[in-house]
Amino acid sequence: KAGVTQTPRYLIKTRGQQVTLSCSPISGHRSVSWYQQTPGQGLQFLFEYFSETQRNKGNFPGRFSGRQFSNSRSEMNVSTLELGDSALYLCASSLGGRGLGETQYFGPGTRLLVL
Amino acid sequence: AQTVTQSQPEMSVQEAETVTLSCTYDTSENNYYLFWYKQPPSRQMILVIRQEAYKQQNATENRFSVNFQKAAKSFSLKISDSQLGDTAMYFCASMAGGTSYGKLTFGQGTILTVHP
Repeated sequence: KAGVTQTPRYLIKTRGQQVTLSCSPISGHRSVSWYQQTPGQGLQFLFEYFSETQRNKGNFPGRFSGRQFSNSRSEMNVSTLELGDSALYLCASSLGGRGLGETQYFGPGTRLLVL
Repeated sequence: AQTVTQSQPEMSVQEAETVTLSCTYDTSENNYYLFWYKQPPSRQMILVIRQEAYKQQNATENRFSVNFQKAAKSFSLKISDSQLGDTAMYFCASMAGGTSYGKLTFGQGTILTVHP
């Protein structure tokens, strides 16, 4: 089975722009979670989607949003980029049926640099 | 709210030796899960081992085992017969029951270097 894929792998944007990141889960996985990884804050949970519905959300401003499509692919969007949004954005997929305690499988991440 | 603390920012070990990485957590949930993930340099994060809190038996996966002390809220990872490929950042993580769908809470990580 193919693993979790994320596109693009690298992005450079300027402050004030917006960006969309994409994540394709492992075939058969219906849950997708997103995380932000920075040297200062570590790994922080952004949100989780299951069957096109956001089930859980972390403590991030409304500039961070996401969605999930019927094929379980997910996108996250960051509007009005700030320098502090520079980070590695990771998505992870899981079966999602039980929702709790399932192993998450991570993608390689998208590295975003905001100038 | 859940918190996970890894008190060792960096550790090193000689090849073939044993090393233990520490992790403590705090949760008010009765139902939760604990994980160790490994993130090699410039490579993606992979699961090392998973523990269900209601199971008293410590999880093992080949050279990797955990020491789960529920009362002390401690979840350490022991790596036996360390190999060069074990060099990575190791993250301890928890996931609560209830409505914490898909949310892993991570510690700050421990950089492990295995020396030949």
